[in-house]
Amino acid sequence: AQSVAQPEDQVNVAEGNPLTVKCTYSVSGNPYLFWYVQYPNRGLQFLLKYITGDNLVKGSYGFEAEFNKSQTSFHLKKPSALVSDSALYFCAVRDPGTASKLTFGTGTRLQVTL
Amino acid sequence: DAGVTQSPTHLIKTRGQQVTLRCSPISGHKSVSWYQQVLGQGPQFIFQYYEKEERGRGNFPDRFSARQFPNYSSELNVNALLLGDSALYLCASSPGTSGRGETQYFGPGTRLLVL
Repeated sequence: AQSVAQPEDQVNVAEGNPLTVKCTYSVSGNPYLFWYVQYPNRGLQFLLKYITGDNLVKGSYGFEAEFNKSQTSFHLKKPSALVSDSALYFCAVRDPGTASKLTFGTGTRLQVTL
Repeated sequence: DAGVTQSPTHLIKTRGQQVTLRCSPISGHKSVSWYQQVLGQGPQFIFQYYEKEERGRGNFPDRFSARQFPNYSSELNVNALLLGDSALYLCASSPGTSGRGETQYFGPGTRLLVL
């Protein structure tokens, strides 16, 4: 069965510094990977996805993610963090069988401070 | 354009009661999926519906059921509520025609509290 691991419960970074939120995955076949962000008392907002092609994927709000097949990782990055980026971030992998089922990680809370 | 909408936003029920949650997908989207997010965890897949047919079911008891209507809106029903059913219930819609790479767009969720 497919799975996603987010090894850090929380990531702290100062505003203006680069940020990385880590994600590793396990899936049979080609991986379809997604990042979502969740603000307090809100649903999930789509940031970006990897399907195939270039290993560096660019998404919304200046975020990007690097797909690494050999390390089975899909880390989320941003060159310069903003306080408004503080939120809960989820990595997810699409089930190889069911077209819509996403399997999510446990989430990483990003805290950006001044 | 309107995103995915869900109603109600909040709900309080007591154990043993039944609840119905509603979801309207993005216009043109034919696939609706339901997820349960317990506090401190990632969302867990409950159901997927496409063109009014169930296409996938997660590891949830039969107390959970859903349906999709001709206008592609959907309802999630939970019977015989347990304390452990307290969670944020998320609905996601997608076109349903683009395969595994298509993006699911989530609604704001319905927060259910079971007392």
